[in-house]
Order: sequence, then C-alpha cells, then structure tokens
Amino acid sequence: EVQLVESGGGLVQPGRSLKLSCLASGFTFSNYGMNWIRQAPGKGLEWVASISSSSSYIYYADTVKGRFTISRDNAKNTLYLQMTSLRSEDTALYYCARKTTEGWFAYWGQGTLVTVSS
Amino acid sequence: DIQMTQSPASLSASLGETVTIECRASEDIYNGLAWYQQKPGKSPQLLIYNANSLHTGVPSRFSGSGSGTQYSLKINSLQSEDVASYFCQQYYDYPTFGAGTKLELK
Repeated sequence: EVQLVESGGGLVQPGRSLKLSCLASGFTFSNYGMNWIRQAPGKGLEWVASISSSSSYIYYADTVKGRFTISRDNAKNTLYLQMTSLRSEDTALYYCARKTTEGWFAYWGQGTLVTVSS
Repeated sequence: DIQMTQSPASLSASLGETVTIECRASEDIYNGLAWYQQKPGKSPQLLIYNANSLHTGVPSRFSGSGSGTQYSLKINSLQSEDVASYFCQQYYDYPTFGAGTKLELK
C-alpha cells in the first residue's frame, strides 16, 4: 500500500525557516516524480514544487521561487521542502503527492500544517 | 500559467439526483485534466484522469467528459458519501487547480 507521511510543520514567525519531510513507503520511491501541494485554510489547492525521480528536473511555483527548495533522498525514501523567508500567505496544509508521468496526482499524504504568524 | 475556472462554487442536491460540475481552462489543455474529491479533514482523492478515465476503485456513477477548454464531472444518482469538495486540475502545463465546488445535500 502506498503511504506518504508528512512531518515538520508547526508555528513559525514571519521571515524564519522550516523544513518539511515526507516519508514514502509501499512503492519504489526512486522511480517516481514527487510534488508538494498546499492548501490554505478553507481554500483551494496550489501546486508548490516538483522534483523528478533522479532530481534532474526541479520546478517551482512563482509564489515560492527563490524561497523554497525541494529535494529528495532516494536512499531514505524521503522528500523534503526547505522553506525560507516565510510569509503569512505561506500558511497552509502542505501535502506531498506522487505524480504520474502524465501529470495527475494519484497518491497524497495526510498533510502537515504550517502556520506563519508572529 | 493556465487558469482553471470552476463552477459552481457550491451546489446543493438531493439524494439520487444527477449533478454536474464544470471546469474551463484559459487555453486548450488537450484532455490533460483530472478531477479530485476531498472530504472534510481528508486529503484529495483522484477520481478521473485524462478527462474521462475512471481511477481504480472509483464508483461508476462518476464520469468525466469534455475537450479543448471545457470539461465536466458528472455524478449520477447522488449518494450521501458524495458530499465533499471537488477540484479539477490541468496537467498540460505546470499544474493548476480549479477553486473547487462544495457539494452538499439538500
């Protein structure tokens, strides 16, 4: 069974940093591109970042480019999102999701909540 | 970026009724569209991909259609467990989502 378990969320002050993790199991992690997607409270979904299976291709939404860094450790079956210069508008539930080659998200984690507030 | 305009924002329907949710893309997305269901407090679950292909395990009362810039999700014979929010997502370009449709029982 595919499982994605996010961790690392919490309350952080504006301008500070936070690193999220997503531990994958139930599939060969190194074969799949992975993504971070966020959802502000009561709002819709926003794609944040994408990383290919071997980390060769990395893409970011314009709203986080230059502040967030996606990475992965295939030996540890873990996806990361390093977030810096956090803003109140980054407050959201952050999901990791496994993307198919074609582009839809077949599997999602349960999310980890990031709250940016002083 | 490709913008996805989803309608309606909310919908109230009776058990057994047929409901339709629409998504319009700002440009042709060549059937690169998925639909997700999100129940309160849960993560989104894939329903439809490639505009009209049913994901494994999804009940056949769900169906997708459309082409070009116009797509729709239809739920036949609405069940109580279908109460949820529904989102469309295009993957022809960098992924973007519709704003969602909240479906409630009348």
